[in-house]
Amino acid sequence: KAGVTQTPRYLIKTRGQQVTLSCSPISGHRSVSWYQQTPGQGLQFLFEYFSETQRNKGNFPGRFSGRQFSNSRSEMNVSTLELGDSALYLCASSPYLAGEFYEQYFGPGTRLTVT
Amino acid sequence: LAKTTQPISMDSYEGQEVNITCSHNNIATNDYITWYQQFPSQGPRFIIQGYKTKVTNEVASLFIPADRKSSTLSLPRVSLSDTAVYYCLVGDISRSSASKIIFGSGTRLSIRP
Repeated sequence: KAGVTQTPRYLIKTRGQQVTLSCSPISGHRSVSWYQQTPGQGLQFLFEYFSETQRNKGNFPGRFSGRQFSNSRSEMNVSTLELGDSALYLCASSPYLAGEFYEQYFGPGTRLTVT
Repeated sequence: LAKTTQPISMDSYEGQEVNITCSHNNIATNDYITWYQQFPSQGPRFIIQGYKTKVTNEVASLFIPADRKSSTLSLPRVSLSDTAVYYCLVGDISRSSASKIIFGSGTRLSIRP
């Protein structure tokens, strides 16, 4: 079974631009979560989607948004990019929202550099 | 949310057993303990999860004392490829979602020949 895929893997943008990142979860997985990872803040939860509905959102400004499609694929968008948005953006999928042996499967991430 | 405390870094040698301890003094009754491994420029990978006592799989063992205020990840006979950051997470996975699962700073494990 194919793992979580993220595109693109690397991206360079300039301040003020916007960016869209894509995530394809493992087949059959309905939950998709997004994380931002930086050396200073570590792994921080952005948002979670399940069955096309945003279930939870982390403590990030409204410039960060996302959506999930009927095939469970997800996109996240960052508008008006700032230098501090430079990070590794990770997507994780899970078959369900919660439950015993809850496990998230992470993709390789998208490395976003804002100049 | 239970907060976790782990050593920032650890060093060991190939063939040795490595034990990484995580403190979670405020763990709640419904919280599970999960460990993830992360290599540079990759997403974290699930290693093991437990609630109490001992759990073992093909990769590692997880020891959880009766009071559950700490847990120890044990990696038998490590190799150079075990060099990575290891995260201990504590969360109520029975009825929560990813937002309740907090990744701490992790332990950077370095294995030497």
